[in-house]
Amino acid sequence: AQSVAQPEDQVNVAEGNPLTVKCTYSVSGNPYLFWYVQYPNRGLQFLLKYITGDNLVKGSYGFEAEFNKSQTSFHLKKPSALVSDSALYFCAVRGSTLGRLYFGRGTQLTVWP
Amino acid sequence: DTEVTQTPKHLVMGMTNKKSLKCEQHMGHRAMYWYKQKAKKPPELMFVYSYEKLSINESVPSRFSPECPNSSLLNLHLHALQPEDSALYLCASSQDRGVDYEQFFGPGTRLTVL
Repeated sequence: AQSVAQPEDQVNVAEGNPLTVKCTYSVSGNPYLFWYVQYPNRGLQFLLKYITGDNLVKGSYGFEAEFNKSQTSFHLKKPSALVSDSALYFCAVRGSTLGRLYFGRGTQLTVWP
Repeated sequence: DTEVTQTPKHLVMGMTNKKSLKCEQHMGHRAMYWYKQKAKKPPELMFVYSYEKLSINESVPSRFSPECPNSSLLNLHLHALQPEDSALYLCASSQDRGVDYEQFFGPGTRLTVL
């Protein structure tokens, strides 16, 4: 069975500092991993994905994620946080059933000015 | 056009009403999805359409009835809903159901059932 875990409900960081939002996965077969962001009263926006290839994936709005097979992790990172990055972040993994995405429970990121 | 649109943005309905949610995309995507999302929770998959055919129904109650009239449109017909059905309903689309295709989400319809 496919699943992802986001161990932190809340991450707080000061503006200008680096941020990390954690995600670990459990899959049978190759992992296909995604990060989405949701601003209040909005739909989910795609940030980046790992399918194959380089372990460091670059995405939208300056975000990147590092795929680590040995630690089964796919942490989201940004070198310098902005107040506007404050939002709910979801990690997701593709299921073996075509079309299915399994989401983590979400991490609320708050960036303080 | 890289957008998924949903109408209406907000909907308030009584338990005896019949209403419909509409979703539209013009990206040529062949897979479309309905999700239900409660506040601060991850989206829950309800239905998946692939090439205009229903491919996944996550044991959703029959008071929710999906319809895919063509490759660009997805509807969700609502009838005799319960207050616990109040949620944000998200539509999404992807190029195909393949594992490497990301899903693009609409802004959602905020549904309140009185």
